[in-house]
Amino acid sequence: GAVVSQHPSWVICKSGTSVKIECRSLDFQATTMFWYRQFPKQSLMLMATSNEGSKATYEQGVEKDKFLINHASLTLSTLTVTSAHPEDSSFYICSARDLVSATSSLYQETQYFGPGTRLLVL
Amino acid sequence: ILNVEQSPQSLHVQEGDSTNFTCSFPSSNFYALHWYRWETAKSPEALFVMTLNGDEKKKGRISATLNTKEGYSYLYIKGSQPEDSATYLCAFGFQGGKLIFGQGTELSVKP
Repeated sequence: GAVVSQHPSWVICKSGTSVKIECRSLDFQATTMFWYRQFPKQSLMLMATSNEGSKATYEQGVEKDKFLINHASLTLSTLTVTSAHPEDSSFYICSARDLVSATSSLYQETQYFGPGTRLLVL
Repeated sequence: ILNVEQSPQSLHVQEGDSTNFTCSFPSSNFYALHWYRWETAKSPEALFVMTLNGDEKKKGRISATLNTKEGYSYLYIKGSQPEDSATYLCAFGFQGGKLIFGQGTELSVKP
């Protein structure tokens, strides 16, 4: 159980185009999803917290107009990198918290990750 | 800026060896400490979520301890197997789910 998928797994695009990445919880509902990115030799860095039905909360230094997040349902969040540039090339990965687990004192903090999306902007 | 440090950065052991690595984090305002196992081309797999000082958790041959007063957690692997080869990540967790990750310890187990 607790599987999170991400699509696409990798994408190459031209500078100036927009790229949409999908994050789905396959066998559970997630009120909260998180988007991270990882540059080479660095740790996973939280970009934003995505709450179903409300606006995402962005971390300091992350441009909300550049990284559009939509969390329209309990099983899907999307990250759109608008007008991508080479410096946006990175590994993007999402995680989700199980709605049921979130109310259980035993498992409330466990997050389940997708396999990630590697973006290369030429 | 909150810093989570993991050591060593990489580790090479022989099959059957037991090994351990460290995660250091700020000892103030502690909420939770997460451990993940991340194999190449796969999703990070949740190993443990630890919340109480002195906590010790076990999953098969892998166990973890937590010291929130001094700000460290140890992950132990008993009798390492080649399939244990992966990057092990720890993350300082906030209420609400935000995680601050360390850079990970890359473990390689040779048969």
